Amino acid sequence: GAVVSQHPSRVICKSGTSVKIECRSLDFQATTMFWYRQFPKKSLMLMATSNEGSKATYEQGVEKDKFLINHASLTLSTLTVTSAHPEDSSFYICSAGVAGGRYEQYFGPGTRLTVT
Amino acid sequence: DAKTTQPPSMDCAEGRAANLPCNHSTISGNEYVYWYRQIHSQGPQYIIHGLKNNETNEMASLIITEDRKSSTLILPHATLRDTAVYYCIVRVMEYGNKLVFGAGTILRVKS
Repeated sequence: GAVVSQHPSRVICKSGTSVKIECRSLDFQATTMFWYRQFPKKSLMLMATSNEGSKATYEQGVEKDKFLINHASLTLSTLTVTSAHPEDSSFYICSAGVAGGRYEQYFGPGTRLTVT
Repeated sequence: DAKTTQPPSMDCAEGRAANLPCNHSTISGNEYVYWYRQIHSQGPQYIIHGLKNNETNEMASLIITEDRKSSTLILPHATLRDTAVYYCIVRVMEYGNKLVFGAGTILRVKS
């Protein structure tokens, strides 16, 4: 149990376009999900906390208009990278905790974004 | 959340126990110690967590010192598949509370 999926696993897009990444909790409900990004050989950096039915909470230095987060249901959060540029190329990872259950976070497999 | 300090890297022989240390000298009374690992190009995987008692599950054991200022993750019989970055994180156990990752320890299991 407690599986988190992400789609797509890899995406290549051209500079200036927008890319949407989906994060789904497959067998549990999650009122809160988290989005991270990770550069090569670096640790995970928390970008934002996604709350079902309300606005996301962004970490300091993360542009909310650049990284749009929507958490429309208890099993789906989306991250849209708007007007992507090569410096947005990164590994994006989401996580979720089981609402009302144990408190460990379950992570998705990640999405590799390459902006050309 | 309290900060943690881990060695940047460690090597371990296959089949031997891997002991990964973590210092968290500023941990608060209501903060738990969590361990995650990340195998290359995958999402992190939960390993174990504890408050003050030692914990064991099918993956590992967690030993927390009596003063709770440090802990050790033990992989009893390391395999090549245990090669990963291991993260020690302290946080309050509360739904919706975020995980903040440090640099972690790169564990290389060698045959």
